[in-house]
Amino acid sequence: EPEVTQTPSHQVTQMGQEVILRCVPISNHLYFYWYRQILGQKVEFLVSFYNNEISEKSEIFDDQFSVERPDGSNFTLKIRSTKLEDSAMYFCASSDNLRYGYTFGSGTRLTVV
Amino acid sequence: DQQVKQNSPSLSVQEGRISILNCDYTNSMFDYFLWYKKYPAEGPTFLISISSIKDKNEDGRFTVFLNKSAKHLSLHIVPSQPGDSAVYFCAARGNAGNMLTFGGGTRLMVKP
Repeated sequence: EPEVTQTPSHQVTQMGQEVILRCVPISNHLYFYWYRQILGQKVEFLVSFYNNEISEKSEIFDDQFSVERPDGSNFTLKIRSTKLEDSAMYFCASSDNLRYGYTFGSGTRLTVV
Repeated sequence: DQQVKQNSPSLSVQEGRISILNCDYTNSMFDYFLWYKKYPAEGPTFLISISSIKDKNEDGRFTVFLNKSAKHLSLHIVPSQPGDSAVYFCAARGNAGNMLTFGGGTRLMVKP
């Protein structure tokens, strides 16, 4: 069964450093997403991406965040200057038709120290 | 912001019996609802969905019911199996865009 692959599975970074979280969506999917889940809290939407541009973003997705699809297979989330409160599980997802639900990756656990 | 709410943080059920997980929402602009299952250290896995024009959708052991007037949906799992033990999230999508709003999750434990 096709999978969404995320790397790394766990990243520890110093506050103020830049991090890039990587995702390989399912190859024939057209819509790409980032969500996050802070420990003990809800899964929260960050951003959706379609046709090489952001289609929606939440209030969380401020100027410190950016997304990119640098080639035909990767989808990245960059946090420019990490804060302690950015510590969370970050999930990438992709879909071709929302009617059947997204496919999520296993997540990257980001720990900012 | 509690647009999607799952009031029961946990539920324990005996194997073979029915599990009923509940979800309430407040935003009448939601037009599509989904249930996801999540195991530890994995991403959410899509289970079943329902459009707001329907009141029931069934897929094997899983059935989702939607009561629009009450802004309530439920997931029924019958018969429950120990492998169903996981955290279950309901999610809703508005009629503009693809963003999902998730509930807080219900941890289901199915005892052998």
